[in-house]
Amino acid sequence: SSELTQDPAVSVALGQTVRITCQGDSLRSYYASWYQQKPGQAPILVIYGENNRPSGIPDRFSGSRSGNTASLTITGAQAEDEADYYCNSRDSSGNPLYVFGTGTKVTVL
Amino acid sequence: EVQLVQSGAEVKKPGESLKISCKASGYSFTSYWIGWVRQMPGKGLEWMGIIYPGDSDTRYSPSFQGQVTISADKSISSAYLHWSSLKASDTAMFYCARLSRGVNDAFDIWGQGTMVTVSS
Repeated sequence: SSELTQDPAVSVALGQTVRITCQGDSLRSYYASWYQQKPGQAPILVIYGENNRPSGIPDRFSGSRSGNTASLTITGAQAEDEADYYCNSRDSSGNPLYVFGTGTKVTVL
Repeated sequence: EVQLVQSGAEVKKPGESLKISCKASGYSFTSYWIGWVRQMPGKGLEWMGIIYPGDSDTRYSPSFQGQVTISADKSISSAYLHWSSLKASDTAMFYCARLSRGVNDAFDIWGQGTMVTVSS
């Protein structure tokens, strides 16, 4: 099965920009989706596809892909963006199997 | 409102069986895959498997194949995760999530989670 690798932790100053990356072979074929999880809460979808935001997600969240790397960028990070972020993608086998990334803890300073 | 509502927290002993549920409302239950996700205490999200309630097509992550059973009852718009013999290592939070498929796949609706504690 596929693996998706993320940096364990990143920090960003309030109002600055942070990029979270997700690497894996399956990303050459499939877009990643990104999930935000705050302590004690269920994950929520923040980005899917090439760069799509569900209703209610601020436009400071954006996504991109290059080769085997997907990225989630927060432009003008806010205190409420402090959370764990996970990427997810379909398995490279082509079956409807999926895998989550290892997760990135974002700290807003 | 589209939502997934999961059953309540469970405390079980090793060797016991358990089935937790995920009830869907606000959309056509048989038209979307439902997935299950494990989160062990202090750890990340792990994708367990997925079911299409329309025809009960079920797929499992290799890591969970044979360890759990995923099922669905479309008459009551509910998906299930079942263990026949729990282990202490099954202690975790479990989430169900709706998979929106198309050009882009994404788990767009999540349940609130069910905490399962297995302890003697």
